[in-house]
Amino acid sequence: SQQGEEDPQALSIQEGENATMNCSYKTSINNLQWYRQNSGRGLVHLILIRSNEREKHRGRLRVTLDTSKKSSSLLITASRAADTASYFCATAREGAGGTSYGKLTFGQGTILTVHP
Amino acid sequence: ETGVTQTPRHLVMGMTNKKSLKCEQHLGHNAMYWYKQSAKKPLELMFVYNFKEQTENNSVPSRFSPECPNSSHLFLHLHTLQPEDSALYLCASSPGQGNYQPQHFGDGTRLSIL
Repeated sequence: SQQGEEDPQALSIQEGENATMNCSYKTSINNLQWYRQNSGRGLVHLILIRSNEREKHRGRLRVTLDTSKKSSSLLITASRAADTASYFCATAREGAGGTSYGKLTFGQGTILTVHP
Repeated sequence: ETGVTQTPRHLVMGMTNKKSLKCEQHLGHNAMYWYKQSAKKPLELMFVYNFKEQTENNSVPSRFSPECPNSSHLFLHLHTLQPEDSALYLCASSPGQGNYQPQHFGDGTRLSIL
C-alpha cells in the first residue's frame, strides 16, 4: 500500500451516524494530519496528531494513532450533511534531527457522503 | 476564506501556449507549496519554497517553472504542457517549513490542456 492510504475509498451514511475512516502508512513519521476537501475547493486542515500522541479530539472529531501498526483513524460523530467531503490523511516523515521539513505525503482519500 | 488566493480558478490552454498560475497568501506565512491533484491519484507535492528559497523540487518536468518573488506570492509558469498535465493545481502555505506546520490551501486552478 502507499504511504498514507485511506480505507474505505468511499463511505455512505445517514445523518446522525458516526463515520470512521482509516489511514495506513509505511515509514516512521513525525506527525499525521487529516484534511477535508469539499467538491471544487482546496483542502482544509482538520487535526494534527504527533507521533508520541495516541488520541486527540476536536469538537466532533476524534483521531487515534497507533505507531506500532502504522495506522490512524478519524471518527466523525453525529455526522451532518455538511460533513460530505473527501477526507485525506497526510504524513510528515521523520527527518534528520527530528524535523519534518513540511513535506507531507497524502493518501488518495475517503469520499464521505452523509445523506440527510 | 482560507487566506490563500489562487488565480485563475479555471484555465484552458493549448499545448503550445504559455500561461502562469498565481498564488497569494495573506497569512504572514514563510513557506509556500505547489501541489498537483489528478483524478484517482494522491496529491503530489511539486515544489516547496521557504523564505523565498526553493527547498524542494519533486522531480517536476522543466515545462513547469516556479517563481517566488516574496513570501506572499508564488507563481507557476507553464509552457509546452502535455495532456497528462490536466489537473487541479493547489497552492498552500504554512508558517514555516518545519515541525507541526499545518498547511493552508487555496481553492486551486483547474487546468485543462487541449
